[in-house]
Amino acid sequence: AQRVTQPEKLLSVFKGAPVELKCNYSYSGSPELFWYVQYSRQRLQLLLRHISRESIKGFTADLNKGETSFHLKKPFAQEEDSAMYYCALSGAGGGNKLTFGTGTQLKVEL
Amino acid sequence: GAGVSQTPSNKVTEKGKYVELRCDPISGHTALYWYRQSLGQGPEFLIYFQGTGAADDSGLPNDRFFAVRPEGSVSTLKIQRTERGDSAVYLCASSTDRNTEAFFGQGTRLTVV
Repeated sequence: AQRVTQPEKLLSVFKGAPVELKCNYSYSGSPELFWYVQYSRQRLQLLLRHISRESIKGFTADLNKGETSFHLKKPFAQEEDSAMYYCALSGAGGGNKLTFGTGTQLKVEL
Repeated sequence: GAGVSQTPSNKVTEKGKYVELRCDPISGHTALYWYRQSLGQGPEFLIYFQGTGAADDSGLPNDRFFAVRPEGSVSTLKIQRTERGDSAVYLCASSTDRNTEAFFGQGTRLTVV
């Protein structure tokens, strides 16, 4: 069975501080990992996926197969980063059939 | 262009009633997904359509839940004999194919009283 764990329900940081949102997964094969974001009163949207290896809005995430982690990082938090962040996994041949974590609410304080 | 549209945005129904939730995907998107998000949880996969056919319905919780996509565009999620535990936000997403970015609708909040 596949599972995604986001241990923090809420993460509060000051503007300009580094951010790390934790995500651990369990899956026996080679998964594809995603981060989705939901800003206040907006719909869920893709932030980044590990296969594209892009940096979006200053966020990066590296897949660590040894630690089965896909933590989301940003060196300097901005107020507009305040949102709900979901880590998600797609199994072999899974495409957009995703298993989501429970989400972490990021609050960036001034 | 228009994104994924879901109607109604809110639905309150009595326990035991039948409900239909509608999803209008982005034009030209052949893949369509339904997810359910309960309070405090992440979205949970229900069913995936490729064109008109349900390619994967492994997430439907029981036979009270059914979904159709008769013309390969609009999809309807149908719930029979609703129970209070069905209360959740039902999300629809579409993509050009199963491996490209999925775009989500704003969801239908279903409350069963």
